[in-house]
Amino acid sequence: AQTVTQSQPEMSVQEAETVTLSCTYDTSENNYYLFWYKQPPSRQMILVIRQEAYKQQNATENRFSVNFQKAAKSFSLKISDSQLGDTAMYFCAFMKLRGGADGLTFGKGTHLIIQP
Amino acid sequence: GAGVSQSPSNKVTEKGKDVELRCDPISGHTALYWYRQSLGQGLEFLIYFQGNSAPDKSGLPSDRFSAERTGGSVSTLTIQRTQQEDSAVYLCASSLMRDEQFFGPGTRLTVL
Repeated sequence: AQTVTQSQPEMSVQEAETVTLSCTYDTSENNYYLFWYKQPPSRQMILVIRQEAYKQQNATENRFSVNFQKAAKSFSLKISDSQLGDTAMYFCAFMKLRGGADGLTFGKGTHLIIQP
Repeated sequence: GAGVSQSPSNKVTEKGKDVELRCDPISGHTALYWYRQSLGQGLEFLIYFQGNSAPDKSGLPSDRFSAERTGGSVSTLTIQRTQQEDSAVYLCASSLMRDEQFFGPGTRLTVL
Protein backbone atom coordinates (compact mmCIF):
# COMPACT_ATOMS: atom_id res chain seq x y z
CA ALA A 1 0.00 0.00 0.00
CA GLN A 2 1.06 3.54 -0.67
CA THR A 3 1.06 6.47 1.72
CA VAL A 4 1.32 10.18 0.98
CA THR A 5 2.31 12.70 3.64
CA GLN A 6 1.86 16.44 3.55
CA SER A 7 3.40 17.89 6.67
CA GLN A 8 2.12 21.45 6.34
CA PRO A 9 -1.58 21.71 7.25
CA GLU A 10 -1.64 25.43 6.45
CA MET A 11 0.61 28.02 4.88
CA SER A 12 0.19 31.73 4.35
CA VAL A 13 2.26 34.00 2.10
CA GLN A 14 1.98 37.46 0.59
CA GLU A 15 0.86 37.96 -2.96
CA ALA A 16 3.73 37.76 -5.49
CA GLU A 17 5.91 35.68 -3.16
CA THR A 18 7.15 32.20 -3.93
CA VAL A 19 5.88 29.31 -1.82
CA THR A 20 6.85 25.65 -1.66
CA LEU A 21 4.48 22.90 -0.51
CA SER A 22 6.07 19.67 0.61
CA CYS A 23 4.99 16.10 -0.06
CA THR A 24 6.63 12.78 0.69
CA TYR A 25 5.37 9.34 -0.20
CA ASP A 26 6.11 5.73 0.45
CA THR A 27 5.79 2.98 -2.12
CA SER A 28 7.46 -0.19 -3.32
CA GLU A 29 6.41 0.56 -6.90
CA ASN A 30 8.95 1.68 -9.45
CA ASN A 31 6.58 3.12 -12.03
CA TYR A 32 3.94 5.58 -10.95
CA TYR A 33 2.44 9.01 -11.38
CA LEU A 34 2.50 11.88 -8.92
CA PHE A 35 0.05 14.75 -9.04
CA TRP A 36 -0.74 18.01 -7.35
CA TYR A 37 -4.42 18.89 -7.27
CA LYS A 38 -5.94 22.19 -6.21
CA GLN A 39 -9.35 22.38 -4.51
CA PRO A 40 -10.77 25.90 -4.10
CA PRO A 41 -13.85 26.56 -1.93
CA SER A 42 -16.03 25.63 -4.91
CA ARG A 43 -15.01 22.00 -4.18
CA GLN A 44 -13.88 21.34 -7.76
CA MET A 45 -10.62 19.38 -7.85
CA ILE A 46 -8.33 20.81 -10.50
CA LEU A 47 -5.12 19.22 -11.71
CA VAL A 48 -2.17 21.56 -11.23
CA ILE A 49 0.73 19.43 -12.40
CA ARG A 50 1.72 15.81 -12.97
CA GLN A 51 4.98 13.90 -12.96
CA GLU A 52 5.76 10.48 -14.35
CA ALA A 53 8.25 8.72 -12.11
CA TYR A 54 10.31 7.44 -15.03
CA LYS A 55 11.03 11.01 -16.15
CA GLN A 56 14.02 12.62 -14.51
CA GLN A 57 13.12 16.12 -15.64
CA ASN A 58 10.94 18.06 -13.22
CA ALA A 59 7.53 19.04 -14.58
CA THR A 60 6.63 22.71 -14.97
CA GLU A 61 3.36 24.44 -15.83
CA ASN A 62 3.68 28.21 -16.05
CA ARG A 63 4.11 29.45 -12.45
CA PHE A 64 3.98 25.92 -11.03
CA SER A 65 6.93 23.57 -10.87
CA VAL A 66 7.88 20.50 -8.93
CA ASN A 67 11.05 19.21 -7.33
CA PHE A 68 10.86 15.46 -7.78
CA GLN A 69 13.43 13.44 -5.86
CA LYS A 70 12.67 9.80 -6.59
CA ALA A 71 15.28 8.29 -4.28
CA ALA A 72 14.11 10.44 -1.41
CA LYS A 73 10.45 9.89 -2.37
CA SER A 74 9.83 13.60 -2.25
CA PHE A 75 7.59 15.65 -4.54
CA SER A 76 7.34 19.33 -3.60
CA LEU A 77 5.34 21.99 -5.44
CA LYS A 78 6.72 25.47 -6.00
CA ILE A 79 4.36 28.31 -6.85
CA SER A 80 6.09 31.41 -8.17
CA ASP A 81 4.61 34.91 -8.21
CA SER A 82 1.67 33.72 -6.11
CA GLN A 83 -1.74 35.20 -6.85
CA LEU A 84 -4.89 35.63 -4.77
CA GLY A 85 -6.57 33.00 -6.94
CA ASP A 86 -4.04 30.44 -5.77
CA THR A 87 -5.75 30.36 -2.38
CA ALA A 88 -7.06 26.80 -2.03
CA MET A 89 -6.42 23.37 -0.56
CA TYR A 90 -3.59 21.59 -2.34
CA PHE A 91 -3.43 17.81 -2.41
CA CYS A 92 -0.49 15.66 -3.37
CA ALA A 93 -1.53 12.34 -4.91
CA PHE A 94 0.04 9.06 -6.04
CA MET A 95 -1.10 6.47 -8.54
CA LYS A 96 0.48 3.29 -9.84
CA LEU A 97 1.33 3.46 -13.51
CA ARG A 98 -0.51 0.32 -14.51
CA GLY A 99 -2.13 -2.70 -13.08
CA GLY A 100 -4.31 -2.91 -10.04
CA ALA A 101 -7.77 -1.57 -9.47
CA ASP A 102 -7.00 1.31 -7.18
CA GLY A 103 -7.29 5.03 -7.63
CA LEU A 104 -5.37 7.98 -6.35
CA THR A 105 -3.87 7.96 -2.88
CA PHE A 106 -4.05 11.48 -1.47
CA GLY A 107 -2.24 13.32 1.26
CA LYS A 108 -4.20 15.19 3.91
CA GLY A 109 -3.73 18.47 2.05
CA THR A 110 -2.20 21.88 2.66
CA HIS A 111 -4.42 24.93 2.99
CA LEU A 112 -2.61 27.70 1.15
CA ILE A 113 -3.66 31.29 1.83
CA ILE A 114 -2.38 34.10 -0.36
CA GLN A 115 -2.60 37.42 1.47
CA PRO A 116 -3.08 40.68 -0.47
CA GLY B 1 -21.08 17.88 -21.54
CA ALA B 2 -17.60 19.26 -21.30
CA GLY B 3 -16.79 17.94 -17.85
CA VAL B 4 -17.78 15.38 -15.26
CA SER B 5 -21.17 16.09 -13.78
CA GLN B 6 -22.64 14.82 -10.54
CA SER B 7 -26.11 14.97 -9.10
CA PRO B 8 -27.49 15.98 -6.77
CA SER B 9 -25.14 18.74 -5.69
CA ASN B 10 -26.36 18.45 -2.13
CA LYS B 11 -28.41 15.78 -0.43
CA VAL B 12 -29.85 15.83 3.06
CA THR B 13 -31.36 12.61 4.29
CA GLU B 14 -32.49 10.99 7.49
CA LYS B 15 -30.58 8.22 9.15
CA GLY B 16 -31.70 4.85 7.84
CA LYS B 17 -32.82 6.06 4.41
CA ASP B 18 -31.22 4.93 1.15
CA VAL B 19 -29.55 7.44 -1.17
CA GLU B 20 -28.39 7.26 -4.75
CA LEU B 21 -25.62 9.48 -6.12
CA ARG B 22 -25.06 9.88 -9.82
CA CYS B 23 -21.96 10.53 -11.89
CA ASP B 24 -21.87 11.34 -15.59
CA PRO B 25 -18.27 11.09 -16.84
CA ILE B 26 -16.64 12.83 -19.75
CA SER B 27 -17.77 11.20 -22.98
CA GLY B 28 -15.34 8.51 -24.10
CA HIS B 29 -13.62 8.12 -20.75
CA THR B 30 -13.44 4.42 -19.99
CA ALA B 31 -12.21 4.71 -16.41
CA LEU B 32 -14.41 6.05 -13.62
CA TYR B 33 -13.55 6.52 -9.96
CA TRP B 34 -15.48 7.29 -6.79
CA TYR B 35 -13.89 8.99 -3.79
CA ARG B 36 -15.16 10.15 -0.43
CA GLN B 37 -13.92 13.33 1.23
CA SER B 38 -14.57 13.86 4.92
CA LEU B 39 -12.98 15.98 7.63
CA GLY B 40 -11.84 13.02 9.63
CA GLN B 41 -10.60 10.70 6.90
CA GLY B 42 -9.52 13.08 4.16
CA LEU B 43 -9.85 11.81 0.60
CA GLU B 44 -10.47 8.08 0.33
CA PHE B 45 -10.66 6.00 -2.82
CA LEU B 46 -13.83 3.91 -2.94
CA ILE B 47 -14.10 2.08 -6.24
CA TYR B 48 -12.83 2.05 -9.82
CA PHE B 49 -14.63 1.03 -12.99
CA GLN B 50 -12.96 0.08 -16.23
CA GLY B 51 -15.85 0.04 -18.66
CA ASN B 52 -18.76 -1.47 -16.78
CA SER B 53 -16.76 -3.70 -14.49
CA ALA B 54 -15.28 -2.98 -11.09
CA PRO B 55 -12.41 -5.44 -10.50
CA ASP B 56 -12.06 -4.67 -6.82
CA LYS B 57 -14.79 -3.53 -4.45
CA SER B 58 -12.76 -3.77 -1.27
CA GLY B 59 -12.42 0.01 -0.99
CA LEU B 60 -16.13 0.42 -0.29
CA PRO B 61 -16.49 1.24 3.44
CA SER B 62 -19.19 -1.33 4.20
CA ASP B 63 -21.67 -3.67 2.57
CA ARG B 64 -24.22 -0.84 2.69
CA PHE B 65 -22.31 0.75 -0.18
CA SER B 66 -22.69 -0.45 -3.75
CA ALA B 67 -21.89 1.00 -7.14
CA GLU B 68 -22.70 0.20 -10.70
CA ARG B 69 -21.95 1.53 -14.12
CA THR B 70 -24.05 0.86 -17.18
CA GLY B 71 -23.29 1.33 -20.85
CA GLY B 72 -19.75 2.33 -20.01
CA SER B 73 -21.03 5.76 -19.02
CA VAL B 74 -23.18 6.84 -16.08
CA SER B 75 -22.41 5.44 -12.66
CA THR B 76 -24.47 5.38 -9.50
CA LEU B 77 -23.22 5.01 -5.95
CA THR B 78 -25.91 3.72 -3.61
CA ILE B 79 -25.76 3.89 0.15
CA GLN B 80 -28.35 1.84 1.98
CA ARG B 81 -29.55 2.51 5.52
CA THR B 82 -27.46 5.67 5.78
CA GLN B 83 -25.61 6.44 9.00
CA GLN B 84 -24.32 9.76 10.28
CA GLU B 85 -20.74 8.71 9.58
CA ASP B 86 -21.65 8.52 5.88
CA SER B 87 -21.89 12.33 5.82
CA ALA B 88 -19.20 13.52 3.43
CA VAL B 89 -18.57 14.88 -0.02
CA TYR B 90 -18.62 12.14 -2.64
CA LEU B 91 -16.43 12.89 -5.63
CA CYS B 92 -16.44 11.19 -8.98
CA ALA B 93 -13.62 11.32 -11.54
CA SER B 94 -13.08 9.93 -14.99
CA SER B 95 -10.05 9.36 -17.19
CA LEU B 96 -9.26 8.13 -20.65
CA MET B 97 -6.58 5.79 -19.41
CA ARG B 98 -4.85 5.32 -16.10
CA ASP B 99 -3.53 8.84 -15.97
CA GLU B 100 -4.97 12.26 -15.35
CA GLN B 101 -8.33 12.12 -13.63
CA PHE B 102 -10.93 14.81 -14.19
CA PHE B 103 -13.15 15.41 -11.21
CA GLY B 104 -16.77 16.37 -10.90
CA PRO B 105 -18.02 19.01 -8.45
CA GLY B 106 -19.06 16.39 -5.91
CA THR B 107 -22.22 15.61 -3.96
CA ARG B 108 -22.37 16.81 -0.37
CA LEU B 109 -24.28 14.22 1.64
CA THR B 110 -25.62 15.12 5.06
CA VAL B 111 -27.22 12.41 7.17
CA LEU B 112 -29.31 13.76 10.03
